[in-house]
Amino acid sequence: DIQMTQSPSSVSASVGDRVTITCRASQGITSWLAWFQQKPGKAPSLLIYGASTLQSGVPSRFSGSGFGTDFTLTITNLQPEDFATYYCLQGYGFPRTFGQGTKVEI
Amino acid sequence: EVQLLESGGGLVLPGGSPRLSCAASGFSFSTSAMSWVRQAPGKGLEWVSSISGNGAATDYADSVKGRFTTSRDNSKNTLYLQMDGLRDEDTAAYYCVRNSDAGGKNFFAYWGQGTLVTVSS
Repeated sequence: DIQMTQSPSSVSASVGDRVTITCRASQGITSWLAWFQQKPGKAPSLLIYGASTLQSGVPSRFSGSGFGTDFTLTITNLQPEDFATYYCLQGYGFPRTFGQGTKVEI
Repeated sequence: EVQLLESGGGLVLPGGSPRLSCAASGFSFSTSAMSWVRQAPGKGLEWVSSISGNGAATDYADSVKGRFTTSRDNSKNTLYLQMDGLRDEDTAAYYCVRNSDAGGKNFFAYWGQGTLVTVSS
């Protein structure tokens, strides 16, 4: 199974900050990596797929990069609505695996 | 507009066998692979199962293999999750998810609102 190690588990930030979240796969997954945002009581929302493709309607302050085993989600100019939990997901093989999540807190 | 509506959750006794349903609309259901993802209260996301568009291929997480069965009725645009031998650790919100468009576009872009399954005596 492909393990996804996501870090940090939480980060404290302020409006306007730049936040970086990383996911490391236990084996190469090419660019089969997606990033999600989840707010309490809601279903996750897709931000990035294909490691770096911004989902339609997602603000451009979100960006993704990486290939193979190391991936990054960057949020620039953090906005109040960005305080949430973020997850990565590998789509390269079965079982699909999520990272453990990163809570972005004020 | 893509819509996914889960149903069938609720309070279940340990060992129970509920069946979750997911009614899909707004896209070509029969050509879309689908998945179930769950989230225990206060915990992270866990992929549970996926099924191909024609239902011929299924995959399961080790934690549910042999107890859960994913199926679909393309004539009714409905996805199912048959859950047998439920355990306390199966308590979670269960989400129905459309896998992707061709070429991986919109990968896991569409989620239902979730249905909560609580396993308790």
